[in-house]
Amino acid sequence: DAGVTQSPTHLIKTRGQQVTLRCSPKSGHDTVSWYQQALGQGPQFIFQYYEEEERQRGNFPDRFSGHQFPNYSSELNVNALLLGDSALYLCASSLWSVSGNTIYFGEGSWLTVV
Amino acid sequence: GNSVTQMEGPVTLSEEAFLTINCTYTATGYPSLFWYVQYPGEGLQLLLKATKADDKGSNKGFEATYRKETTSFHLEKGSVQVSDSAVYFCALSDRVGAGNKLTFGGGTRVLVKP
Repeated sequence: DAGVTQSPTHLIKTRGQQVTLRCSPKSGHDTVSWYQQALGQGPQFIFQYYEEEERQRGNFPDRFSGHQFPNYSSELNVNALLLGDSALYLCASSLWSVSGNTIYFGEGSWLTVV
Repeated sequence: GNSVTQMEGPVTLSEEAFLTINCTYTATGYPSLFWYVQYPGEGLQLLLKATKADDKGSNKGFEATYRKETTSFHLEKGSVQVSDSAVYFCALSDRVGAGNKLTFGGGTRVLVKP
């Protein structure tokens, strides 16, 4: 049973560029969330997708956008990259309808903006 | 809004010592509480969880009890090993069931020396 998988694992981008990160949820899961973890800090919620729609959003600018596909996989897009966007981006998957459900995380994508 | 506060690290211990990491939270309603662990260079792994008051979560020798009266979820382990060296995150989920979103504390780095 594959867990949450993310790609790429590491990438370096230049300020002003755009980046796309990808996530496949754990088998059987239908909800995908994205988190940003800056160095030395706890993860911060970016947004969450269920049934191909954004359901919740954290305090992140519109430069951060996402998508969920019919197979439940998801993408995180960040436009006009800033140095401060350098972080570990974590994808998390879960089941929408299960009470007290467990949320599983991928290994993350390390983004460095130079 | 919701928030999680945990003791700052690093916490340095000798092998077989007793570990406690304090965690308190602020939330509306009745959140679920979690401890996640992050080993160097890796994503987050769920360590344990509790979904209602007085529940005790346990795993791999770690325990934490959901204390609603003190809004706390302290993590304990009776005898740590070098392999327990990691960063530990306390988190809460403000909606049990649909659309869980995790709010994390800042993390506590634990270093266990032989």
